[in-house]
Amino acid sequence: DVKVTQSSRYLVKRTGEKVFLECVQDMDHENMFWYRQDPGLGLRLIYFSYDVKMKEKGDIPEGYSVSREKKERFSLILESASTNQTSMYLCASSLSGNEDTQYFGPGTRLTVL
Amino acid sequence: DQQVKQNSPSLSVQEGRISILNCDYTNSMFDYFLWYKKYPAEGPTFLISISSIKDKNEDGRFTVFLNKSAKHLSLHIVPSQPGDSAVYFCAASLDSGNTPLVFGKGTRLSVIA
Repeated sequence: DVKVTQSSRYLVKRTGEKVFLECVQDMDHENMFWYRQDPGLGLRLIYFSYDVKMKEKGDIPEGYSVSREKKERFSLILESASTNQTSMYLCASSLSGNEDTQYFGPGTRLTVL
Repeated sequence: DQQVKQNSPSLSVQEGRISILNCDYTNSMFDYFLWYKKYPAEGPTFLISISSIKDKNEDGRFTVFLNKSAKHLSLHIVPSQPGDSAVYFCAASLDSGNTPLVFGKGTRLSVIA
């Protein structure tokens, strides 16, 4: 079974803080993704990565950065958290190839006060 | 511009009846389609998929139908159970393989006992 884990289920931070969200997958997947989910907006792609040290912007990268130093780990960084970044953050991974089934972690509910 | 659309934000169905969730897409290059199920405070879980070379795929109570000419797919759940109450996301993949899935905004299904 594919397992994608995220460092925290719930997180509360203050405006202006630097926030790190960690994601680890144990199935040697090449691809990793960060999404945020907001009511009525569905899943929106923030960043993704196809290989170590590679990153690509998704649909809403502003205010975020990512790091992929190891294949199994993909970190999302909020340099200076703002209240509009309060959301559910979801990490996913997938194998390369035509069947792009993505496997998701449990999510991190981030609240920025 | 939304490439994958789920036009019904919510759906209520009686237990034991059929649930039909719909999804439309605009990009004819999509060649693989997936449905995910998401409970509150959890990550989406993969439910069922279909390749564009097929028009039907069945897995237990879940069947996905694909109508390529209409650019439409649907998920049928028969019989519906209270545990099926969740948000369902439709997703599509391009033929290029290593591109992120494109998600719809989701449909909240409520199965009433």
